[in-house]
Amino acid sequence: DAKTTQPTSMDCAEGRAANLPCNHSTISGNEYVYWYRQIHSQGPQYIIHGLKNNETNEMASLIITEDRKSSTLILPHATLRDTAVYYCIVRSLDTGTASKLTFGTGTRLQVTL
Amino acid sequence: ETGVTQTPRHLVMGMTNKKSLKCEQHLGHNAMYWYKQSAKKPLELMFVYSLEERVENNSVPSRFSPECPNSSHLFLHLHTLQPEDSALYLCASSQDLWDLEYFGPGTRLLVL
Repeated sequence: DAKTTQPTSMDCAEGRAANLPCNHSTISGNEYVYWYRQIHSQGPQYIIHGLKNNETNEMASLIITEDRKSSTLILPHATLRDTAVYYCIVRSLDTGTASKLTFGTGTRLQVTL
Repeated sequence: ETGVTQTPRHLVMGMTNKKSLKCEQHLGHNAMYWYKQSAKKPLELMFVYSLEERVENNSVPSRFSPECPNSSHLFLHLHTLQPEDSALYLCASSQDLWDLEYFGPGTRLLVL
């Protein structure tokens, strides 16, 4: 069972920031928050992950609330190529099958002109 | 993206055919995975290999048969499939078991 809740879909104007929320209220102390995205008919692409501190890389920023019960993925300047399904995944640090990726249904982000 | 490649990218087969999907990773990883993605359903993990040994088999029907001859290659052999097996089949690899996974582009399979 997916441990996260995401909106089904969102729209964003090109050039604006896309803020994708994720609720993970049952997250435990040894679990990371991972984000992947899947452009239509392609394989999922890793974006970013974090434990409790905010993270930034060349693709996006990840903001995790202090209680770790929710997070937001930020694409600072969305382009049409960012149109995809975005998956928020909670993943254990432990070894074994508890660490496997469990994909939910994600948020379908549509970037428009 | 050339890290994980999959062939063919598209495949149409009849229910009596036998075919194989191929995955190759060029990342020096030790673990490889097969996933199935049916229309409007989440990705489902099918098989997991670590150092060429199968470590997980998630109740997948025997008409799907994986093979991992070395750490760079993973196959999925298909025989007597059903139309409901039509899906996007994705391969992934990670440095070690359950590490960050990198996905291939997938094979779009249609069973007639």
